[in-house]
Amino acid sequence: SYALTQPPSVSVAPEETARITCGGSDIGSKSVHWYQQKAGQAPVLVIYYDNHRPSGIPERLSGSNSGSTATLTISRVEAGDEADYYCQVWDGSSDRMIFGGGTKLTVL
Amino acid sequence: QVQVVESGGGLVKPGGSLRLSCAASGFIFSDYFMSWIRQVPGKGLEWISHSSNSGTYTNYADSVKGRFTISRDNAKNSVFLQMDSLRAEDTARYYCARVGADGKADVWGQGTTVTVS
Repeated sequence: SYALTQPPSVSVAPEETARITCGGSDIGSKSVHWYQQKAGQAPVLVIYYDNHRPSGIPERLSGSNSGSTATLTISRVEAGDEADYYCQVWDGSSDRMIFGGGTKLTVL
Repeated sequence: QVQVVESGGGLVKPGGSLRLSCAASGFIFSDYFMSWIRQVPGKGLEWISHSSNSGTYTNYADSVKGRFTISRDNAKNSVFLQMDSLRAEDTARYYCARVGADGKADVWGQGTTVTVS
C-alpha cells in the first residue's frame, strides 16, 4: 500500500526558513495536501494541490512537489507556526486518503 | 459559515458499540464526499472511512473494515459512523471532514473523543 514518509521533527529559529519534506513513490504525479495542527486543535488545511493556499493562509507558507518528494516551506518562521504538520494524498489505486506520519515543527 | 460538528463520543467497554454523528452546514452537503479520520492521543492522523456524495460508495481502512459502517442522510446534512465490536485500540479522537476535489480534507470538525476501556 502507498506510504508517505515525514521526518518526526524539524527545528528552526525565528525568522529562518523551515522545510518539511514528505516522501513517497512518484509523489510528484499526485496532488499533495498539507495540514497544520496546533496543540489541542483540529487540523487545518494550509496547502492543497501541491502549492495552493486556502484563503486566510499567509503567503509565508508554500509547497512544491516533484519526483519522490513534496516539500512544505515556511518562510520567516514565527512562534505561532509551532505545530504538527501532515502531508496527505489520495491513493487512487486503493481509493483511500493517505497521511504522512507528521512532523513536529519547533521554533527555537 | 461552512462547518461540520461531531457528536456521539464517549466511554464504552470493549466489544461495545457507539454511533458518531456529524452535522454539516454552510455548504451543499450532497455535493461532497465525507470522511472520518481519527487520531490516537499523541499520534498521527489515520483515515478510517469515506462516503461518496450519494452514499452509494463507501470505503474503509483495514483496521476497521467489518466493524465500522459509514452512512449519510443528505436530507439532514449528516454523516454517521456506526462503530461495533470496539477495541481498546479504537480509543482516539474522531474527526469528520469534508472531502474536496483530489481528496483534500478542506473542512474539519473539532472532533469527538471515543474511549474504549
